[in-house]
Amino acid sequence: DTAVSQTPKYLVTQMGNDKSIKCEQNLGHDTMYWYKQDSKKFLKIMFSYNNKELIINETVPNRFSPKSPDKAHLNLHINSLELGDSAVYFCASSLKGGGGELFFGEGSRLTVL
Amino acid sequence: GDSVTQMEGPVTLSEEAFLTINCTYTATGYPSLFWYVQYPGEGLQLLLKATKADDKGSNKGFEATYRKETTSFHLEKGSVQVSDSAVYFCALSANAGGTSYGKLTFGQGTILTVHP
Repeated sequence: DTAVSQTPKYLVTQMGNDKSIKCEQNLGHDTMYWYKQDSKKFLKIMFSYNNKELIINETVPNRFSPKSPDKAHLNLHINSLELGDSAVYFCASSLKGGGGELFFGEGSRLTVL
Repeated sequence: GDSVTQMEGPVTLSEEAFLTINCTYTATGYPSLFWYVQYPGEGLQLLLKATKADDKGSNKGFEATYRKETTSFHLEKGSVQVSDSAVYFCALSANAGGTSYGKLTFGQGTILTVHP
């Protein structure tokens, strides 16, 4: 069983489209995250949710909207996709206050043409 | 703000060579420090961690010591294998413990390639 699973793994789309990435964790963790990894491998946090409540929102454009229907799921919806949104998006989870021990999914590679 | 700086890569070594990847950090207070590893096509995995000064984290032959005086957390391995080829990330969590939501600040990553 995959602990943190993301779908889709690959996504190719045109500029201006809207797309979603789904994430689920079966670890019983309270906190979930979205990180963005750019082409130079640099990782930066986008959002963090704790038990369905938004905790961290790191100056991400309003076109990005996370949704957490329950504490095991955190989805990412992106409106009006731009070329600069091309990246690998990683979902992760941890225990509440897990002290930095995150469990990552395998990533979703988004390519905007 | 908090930041992590890693040595520039890529690093290319022969099997059984000694590995050092330098990492220094800037943070207020007393952060926890981590090394994560990303194998090709996979997500990141925690490799080791240290939560206070002078702690040594170790796993799979890798070690790193939390040096508060030099604000460093260098990763070392005495004898690398081809299977260690991956991207290594140094990271810090600024408020470790019950009030933290696990936000990690990452370094830029160092690509390691080990040849037979």
